[in-house]
Amino acid sequence: SQKIEQNSEALNIQEGKTATLTCNYTNYSPAYLQWYRQDPGRGPVFLLLIRENEKEKRKERLKVTFDTTLKQSLFHITASQPADSATYLCALPFSGGYNKLIFGAGTRLAVHP
Amino acid sequence: EAQVTQNPRYLITVTGKKLTVTCSQNMNHEYMSWYRQDPGLGLRQIYYSMNVEATDKGDVPEGYKVSRKEKRNFPLILESPSPNQTSLYFCASASATGRGSGANVLTFGAGSRLTVL
Repeated sequence: SQKIEQNSEALNIQEGKTATLTCNYTNYSPAYLQWYRQDPGRGPVFLLLIRENEKEKRKERLKVTFDTTLKQSLFHITASQPADSATYLCALPFSGGYNKLIFGAGTRLAVHP
Repeated sequence: EAQVTQNPRYLITVTGKKLTVTCSQNMNHEYMSWYRQDPGLGLRQIYYSMNVEATDKGDVPEGYKVSRKEKRNFPLILESPSPNQTSLYFCASASATGRGSGANVLTFGAGSRLTVL
């Protein structure tokens, strides 16, 4: 069955540095991958979507890469700020279906001043 | 403002007492879904609906019911809640990112924290 893995340990970085979060998946070749941000006690908020034929996608200080050979996506936040502290979730469509997104458990990012 | 609204946001109940968590979206989305989120397990889909009167089971449907009588509403019903249904629940609706893309970008509600004693 398909599986998504995100680093369960929190990532602690200094303000101004680049944060890099990893999403690995197995037994699967998704047509796209998504990243969401979740603040404590709140619903996830969509950030970026990258398709299988795209190597990289950018939005302001955010950058996502998608390596279908490695079955991995990297999520970068450049010039990180304390306001970027949150849990970041990656999500993939279930077996190419429109019906369901499968979410990773998320990685908590803490940016320290 | 485009949004998904869930109620109640917080609820403490007792085993066996039927409850309903309401969900409403104002974006005219066809697709709606319920997730539960538990520590270390991430988001797991309970039920989803492709359109009015079209619902289907997700990964963890046991103990839950849903209905989709109107496009904007998708209530989650717990007929006889049990302590293992204590969780944080999210309703979400979807819009495709582009014509023919099939990409399912979800808009989530703020969540409903349910405790079953």
